[in-house]
Amino acid sequence: KQEVTQIPAALSVPEGENLVLNCSFTDSAIYNLQWFRQDPGKGLTSLLLIQSSQREQTSGRLNASLDKSSGRSTLYIAASQPGDSATYLCAVDAGGTSYGKLTFGQGTILTVHP
Amino acid sequence: DTAVSQTPKYLVTQMGNDKSIKCEQNLGHDTMYWYKQDSKKFLKIMFSYNNKELIINETVPNRFSPKSPDKAHLNLHINSLELGDSAVYFCASSQATGGIGYTFGSGTRLTVV
Repeated sequence: KQEVTQIPAALSVPEGENLVLNCSFTDSAIYNLQWFRQDPGKGLTSLLLIQSSQREQTSGRLNASLDKSSGRSTLYIAASQPGDSATYLCAVDAGGTSYGKLTFGQGTILTVHP
Repeated sequence: DTAVSQTPKYLVTQMGNDKSIKCEQNLGHDTMYWYKQDSKKFLKIMFSYNNKELIINETVPNRFSPKSPDKAHLNLHINSLELGDSAVYFCASSQATGGIGYTFGSGTRLTVV
C-alpha cells in the first residue's frame, strides 16, 4: 500500500527566502508525481507534474525533482513571496489499472511573512 | 468559465438524512473523481469514473453511491448520513491517460449535525 509523507508539516519563512519542501513515498512503482497548492476554502491547483521517466520539472520560481529509486521528491521555491502562502500537497499516481488514483501526503503549510 | 464546478458549496444536514452533491466539468475530460478531505486535511480518493464506467471504488461504505449520467457529470449521493461523514468533498477530472491535467473543484463542505 502506497504511503506518502511530507516534511515539514509547517514552515514559516520571511519573504525572499529560498525553501525546499520534501515528499517521500514507500512504493517506487509510480506513474507520475504531482505537486498541488491548496488555498484555504479553495480547491487544489496543480503546480507541477513529473512523469516517472523524468527527473525534474520547472515552472517559474518552482522546481520539482523526482528520485524514483529512493522514493523522494522535493519542491524548491525560489525567492518566496507572501502570495506563496498556502498548503502544498504531494501526490503520486500508481498508474496501471489504478491510473488517476492519487495518493496524497498530508501537506506542508507554508507561511511567508512580508 | 469554471472548469470543474460542484454544488452546493456548503451543506448542513441532520443525521439520517439523504443528500446529493453534484459535479460537472467542461474540460472534455474522460475521467472524474470524488475525494474526501477529513478534519485533519488528509485527502483520500473515494471513486473514479472513466466515460461513465466505475473504475475505482476505495472501500467506501455503500451508503455512498456515485452516479455518472454522462462523462461530464459525476454526482455523489449519500444515504443515512452519519456524523463521521462530515468533511470536505472534492470532485476532480483528468484526461483518461494517466491523470494528465488533473483539475479539482472548489469543494463541498458537508456538516452533519
